[in-house]
Amino acid sequence: QPVLTQSSSASASLGSSVKLTCTLSSGHRTYIIAWHQQQPGKAPRYLMKVEGSGNYNKGSGVPDRFSGSSSGADRYLTISNLQSEDEADYYCETWDSNTQKVFGGGTKLTVL
Amino acid sequence: QEQLLESGGGVVQPGGSLRLSCAASGFILSNYGMHWVRQAPGRGLEWVASIGYDGNNKYYADSVKGRFTISRDNSKNTLYLQISSLRAEDTAVYYCAKIMISRAAIGPIDYWGQGTLVTVSS
Repeated sequence: QPVLTQSSSASASLGSSVKLTCTLSSGHRTYIIAWHQQQPGKAPRYLMKVEGSGNYNKGSGVPDRFSGSSSGADRYLTISNLQSEDEADYYCETWDSNTQKVFGGGTKLTVL
Repeated sequence: QEQLLESGGGVVQPGGSLRLSCAASGFILSNYGMHWVRQAPGRGLEWVASIGYDGNNKYYADSVKGRFTISRDNSKNTLYLQISSLRAEDTAVYYCAKIMISRAAIGPIDYWGQGTLVTVSS
């Protein structure tokens, strides 16, 4: 089954950019993933799905500052012009017919 | 706009049972597969169970297999999770979530409910 690996934490300064990584396990590097944001005390929110080609499709209302990309087994979420409200946990998700659904461990983003 | 509203959480003793509900609005529930995902305090997201749009296919995480039952009543636009033989490690916020693509067997989640807290404690 696919395994998703994320760094446990990341930090960046207000107004700067940050790139979060989600790495697919061996044998699953073509999988599509989705990114979700969970602000403190809130439910997760869908941000976008990212394909192996690098194409990405954002959810409704997701700011232009959020973008996705891909390289090999890595799927990225880039946040530009960081705002204080971007401080949150970010989870990647993937799926297949056998496993149904898998989540990465999440990255806690701190905005300095 | 799609909305999901969970209810039914609470405090329950080890070995007890609860039925969680998820009321859907803003979309036709019968067109979409649905999931339950939980989050223990201070921990990450854990997939629990899923059900196909027509209710014919159900899947469970190994950690809940045989104890939890997912179901749906499309006429009421409502998803359910019957949770039984509860253990301390089942303590979590339980979220219902919708699959993005209509009538698809699998796919990304595009909407989440606000969650309902289940606490297993004596």
